[in-house]
Amino acid sequence: AQSVTQLDSHVSVSEGTPVLLRCNYSSSYSPSLFWYVQHPNKGLQLLLKYTSAATLVKGINGFEAEFKKSETSFHLTKPSAHMSDAAEYFCVVRPLFSGGYNKLIFGAGTRLAVHP
Amino acid sequence: GAVVSQHPSRVICKSGTSVKIECRSLDFQATTMFWYRQFPKQSLMLMATSNEGSKATYEQGVEKDKFLINHASLTLSTLTVTSAHPEDSSFYICSASTGSGSVELFFGEGSRLTVL
Repeated sequence: AQSVTQLDSHVSVSEGTPVLLRCNYSSSYSPSLFWYVQHPNKGLQLLLKYTSAATLVKGINGFEAEFKKSETSFHLTKPSAHMSDAAEYFCVVRPLFSGGYNKLIFGAGTRLAVHP
Repeated sequence: GAVVSQHPSRVICKSGTSVKIECRSLDFQATTMFWYRQFPKQSLMLMATSNEGSKATYEQGVEKDKFLINHASLTLSTLTVTSAHPEDSSFYICSASTGSGSVELFFGEGSRLTVL
């Protein structure tokens, strides 16, 4: 069975310091992996996606993530946090052979707080 | 990127009334749209898959008579919460894909429903 685990429900960093949001997945097949960000009372915005191309994926707003098959991980990083990065982040998995987009699997989310 | 618009963003209604939420793909045709529900501080839960010109496919545990979904055109899907009760209060989000072969979903801004 496929699953997604976001290892931290809350992460707090100081502005200007690095961000690490952890995600591990379980999938029988090679999946597509996504990171979405959600600001309060807003929809989800795609940060980046992995679809079996380069394992290091660069996204918007300075975020990037590395697909590590051996570790079944897809951690999200950013070198320097900005106050505007404070939001909820979701790691999402879509198994390539799921047969449909409705098989998206959402992580529980990680709330990122950025302090001055 | 593709834009998905939801309306209204916020709605308050009395118990027993029905509420309609619209989801529009503004610059692309969406054969399939998806409706999610999100409880406070939780992840997204897929409610149903909306297919243009056919009946929606509901996830297990979702009452199809309570949550009516209509996908009358390639750019519009509607979710009607019938005879709403306070427990139906939630954040509802729709998403759509640009078409076959695309692994990315675009999300609407969400609609917060409060039933008094």
